[in-house]
Amino acid sequence: DGGITQSPKYLFRKEGQNVTLSCEQNLNHDAMYWYRQDPGQGLRLIYYSQIVNDFQKGDIAEGYSVSREKKESFPLTVTSAQKNPTAFYLCASTGDSRANYGYTFGSGTRLTVV
Amino acid sequence: GENVEQHPSTLSVQEGDSAVIKCTYSDSASNYFPWYKQELGKRPQLIIDIRSNVGEKKDQRIAVTLNKTAKHFSLHITETQPEDSAVYFCAARDFGNEKLTFGTGTRLTIIP
Repeated sequence: DGGITQSPKYLFRKEGQNVTLSCEQNLNHDAMYWYRQDPGQGLRLIYYSQIVNDFQKGDIAEGYSVSREKKESFPLTVTSAQKNPTAFYLCASTGDSRANYGYTFGSGTRLTVV
Repeated sequence: GENVEQHPSTLSVQEGDSAVIKCTYSDSASNYFPWYKQELGKRPQLIIDIRSNVGEKKDQRIAVTLNKTAKHFSLHITETQPEDSAVYFCAARDFGNEKLTFGTGTRLTIIP
C-alpha cells in the first residue's frame, strides 16, 4: 500500500460512540495529515503533525482528536461531538526533504454512522 | 491561509480530444503545485507536479503550466483515453507549514 496503511477500510459508528481510525507509515516521514473527503467538497484538512508529540488543528478540527506518540503512527479519533462524521477519511504523509514535497496517501477509511 | 479554486467541477471529453483543468491560488508565497488523480473509491495519486521556478512541465500525455503573476496553474491531458476518467485535484503548498491546500476537484469523464 505504498508505505502508508489505514485501517479499517470500513467502519460503522453508532450515535454517541467514539471511534479511532488507524494510520501507520514506514516511509520515515516526519509530517502526517488527516483529511476528510465529502462528495463535491474536495479534501479538507482535519489535523496535521510535523513532528512527534506535536500537532496542529486544520480547517475542520472540531469533533476530532489526534495523537502523535510515535513517528510512524498518527491515529484519528472521531468523537461523539462530531455531528456529521459520515465521510471518507484519508491519511497522508510527506518527508521533510526540500526535494520531496509530495504527499503519499493511505487507501482511506470509509466511516458510516448507523 | 491559502485558498485554491478549481474549475470546472465536471468535464466530459470525447476520447482522443484534450482536457484542461484550471486552478487559481491566493498566496503568492506558495511554491509547489501538485495534481492528484483519484479513481472511484481509491486513494489520490500524484500524477504530476510543478515548482514555482518552472513555467511548464510535461510527462507523456500530461502537462502542467504555471503562471505565477496571475497565480494560476492548469493541467492539460492530450489524446484522452477511457482510463483517464477520474476525479482530479489540484493543490498548492503552504511552504511555511508544509501542508497542501486542495481544490474541490474536477470529475473528468471520457466518452468513448
